[in-house]
Amino acid sequence: DTAVSQTPKYLVTQMGNDKSIKCEQNLGHDTMYWYKQDSKKFLKIMFSYNNKELIINETVPNRFSPKSPDKAHLNLHINSLELGDSAVYFCASSQLTQGGETQYFGPGTRLLVL
Amino acid sequence: GDSVTQMEGPVTLSEEAFLTINCTYTATGYPSLFWYVQYPGEGLQLLLKATKADDKGSNKGFEATYRKETTSFHLEKGSVQVSDSAVYFCALSSDSNYQLIWGAGTKLIIKP
Repeated sequence: DTAVSQTPKYLVTQMGNDKSIKCEQNLGHDTMYWYKQDSKKFLKIMFSYNNKELIINETVPNRFSPKSPDKAHLNLHINSLELGDSAVYFCASSQLTQGGETQYFGPGTRLLVL
Repeated sequence: GDSVTQMEGPVTLSEEAFLTINCTYTATGYPSLFWYVQYPGEGLQLLLKATKADDKGSNKGFEATYRKETTSFHLEKGSVQVSDSAVYFCALSSDSNYQLIWGAGTKLIIKP
């Protein structure tokens, strides 16, 4: 059983298109995250949700819009895709929002914008 | 603000060599410290963690000790294998800011 799953695994699209990435966790966790990893492997937190409520919204273009229909799902919609959006996007979850909590990561979605 | 600094890679070693990847941090209070590993083409997974000073985290032959006096959490392994080739991330979190603060990652290459 996959703990944190993401779809699709690969996404190749043209500039200007709109796309969505879906994430689901079956760990019963309350908190979910989206990260962006660039080509140099640098990780940047984008959003965090706790029990369907947004709690972290880092400096991210408003073309990125997360949605959490329930606490097991956190989707990421991206409008008007740009070349610089090409990256690997990781979803993660953790039980609580406190220090010391382990985050569990999905396998990543590799987005390439042409 | 809180920050994590880890040694730049890539680090290239021969199989069975001793590994050290340095990690130092800046934080107020008493953060928890983590090492995550990312194997090629995969997501990150927790390798080990320590939640208070002098704690030692260990897993899969890797160890790291939380040193408050030197604000360090260096990763060590006595004898690396080709299968250890991956990117290793040091990170911290605190109760005042539960977000993980990440280092830049260190790519490790083990040659047979």
